[in-house]
Amino acid sequence: TQLLEQSPQFLSIQEGENLTVYCNSSSVFSSLQWYRQEPGEGPVLLVTVVTGGEVKKLKRLTFQFGDARKDSSLHITAAQPGDTGLYLCAGLKETSGSRLTFGEGTQLTVNP
Amino acid sequence: NAGVMQNPRHLVRRRGQEARLRCSPMKGHSHVYWYRQLPEEGLKFMVYLQKENIIDESGMPKERFSAEFPKEGPSILRIQQVVRGDSAAYFCASSVQKIQNIQYFGAGTRLSVL
Repeated sequence: TQLLEQSPQFLSIQEGENLTVYCNSSSVFSSLQWYRQEPGEGPVLLVTVVTGGEVKKLKRLTFQFGDARKDSSLHITAAQPGDTGLYLCAGLKETSGSRLTFGEGTQLTVNP
Repeated sequence: NAGVMQNPRHLVRRRGQEARLRCSPMKGHSHVYWYRQLPEEGLKFMVYLQKENIIDESGMPKERFSAEFPKEGPSILRIQQVVRGDSAAYFCASSVQKIQNIQYFGAGTRLSVL
């Protein structure tokens, strides 16, 4: 059973469209991090959310942490081909020490 | 300020050989984590180390795998007698524990076992 469920698993859209990626769990996380990974590279940190209900914006990307700290979403406005990549959510649980639990990722393709 | 450095980037080994993967954390970071990404799967935690100490090795296979983070030098993930199922991307991350344990990742080592 995957502790962090990401959906959708694959997403292919046209340039200019909006999209939302979801990261859901039945467990509570003390913090949640979003990463983007390019082929052949390591995950690059985009944002960390800590407080329930927190919203963070990074240019065209909006991240939200659920009130109960069990879920998160990533919304991209007016997607561009440069947004193409694997988006990963990763949670830190108070009972799990310092190890991150990753979702399986959402592979986003933005077509020009 | 260099990021997390991993080497080699690619490593090819034959079954039964040993693989040594190196990780130098970001400057000022004393916490190192190793994760494995199998083909078509997400990243899975393996081990968490501080200088000269293994803090959490709950994700490490019980046999053939070991990790160290000596007082001087990089962290090493060692896989003895590799098998084809060990083929994966191995990522190292580092953090400054005080700041919300934000982990920064290296580019990874792609291990291929022939």
